[in-house]
Amino acid sequence: QVQLQESGPGLVKPSETLSLTCTVSSGSVTRYYWSWIRQPPGKGLEWIAYIYYSGSTNYNPSLKSRVTISVDTSKNQFSLRLSSVTAADTAVYYCARHNKADYYYYGMDVWGQGTTVTVSS
Amino acid sequence: DIQMTQSPSSLSASVGDRVTITCRASQHISSYLNWYQQKPGKAPKLLICAASSLQSGVPSRFSGSGSGTDFTLTISSLQPEDFATYYCQQSYLTPLFTFGPGTRVDVK
Repeated sequence: QVQLQESGPGLVKPSETLSLTCTVSSGSVTRYYWSWIRQPPGKGLEWIAYIYYSGSTNYNPSLKSRVTISVDTSKNQFSLRLSSVTAADTAVYYCARHNKADYYYYGMDVWGQGTTVTVSS
Repeated sequence: DIQMTQSPSSLSASVGDRVTITCRASQHISSYLNWYQQKPGKAPKLLICAASSLQSGVPSRFSGSGSGTDFTLTISSLQPEDFATYYCQQSYLTPLFTFGPGTRVDVK
C-alpha cells in the first residue's frame, strides 16, 4: 500500500520560501502524477501544482509565479517550493498521488497525513 | 476561470437518511468530476471519480451521477461514519482540480 509523508519546516517567516518534500514509500513515483494541495485553517481545499514522474508540470495560475514543483525519481520524492510567503499561505499542506497511472483526470487517491505550515515572524 | 458551487453548504441528517449533495460547475466539464470525504484533522478521501465511478473499498451506499455542469453525490442510507464534509472537484478546465466549497453533513 503506497504511503506518502510530507516533511519540512512548520514555521516560515514572511517573505521567505516554504519548502516541503513528499516521500513515497511502498511504491514508486514512476508513471504517476503527483500533486500538492493546501487547506487554510477552517477553509476549503486548494490545488497548488502537479508533476508527472517525467518532470512535466502544471500550476494553479493563482500561485504559479511563486511555486516550483520538482521530482527526484532516485529518491522517490517530490517537492514544493513557495516563495515570498505571507500569512495567507498558512495552511495544512498535503501531498497526493493521482488516481490512475499516466492520467491526472481521475482525482487523487492516496494522500499524505498533511503538514501544518504557519507563516509568522 | 471555472467556479464550482455546492448545495447545501451544510445539512443535518439522521442515521438511515438518504442524503443528496449537489455540485454545479460554471462551465461544461463533461464527466471530469470527483467527490471526496474529509473528516476533521484528516486528509480527504476519494470516494468517486469520473462522476460515477466508485473507488475500490468505498461502500456501495455512495453513488454519483451527472455530466456537463450538474452533478450529484447520494448516500442511500447514512451511517454514523459518514458524518463529514464532502467536496466535489473538477479536473477538466483551468485552473485544474478546482474544489467546491464543501458540504458539511452533521447529526440531526
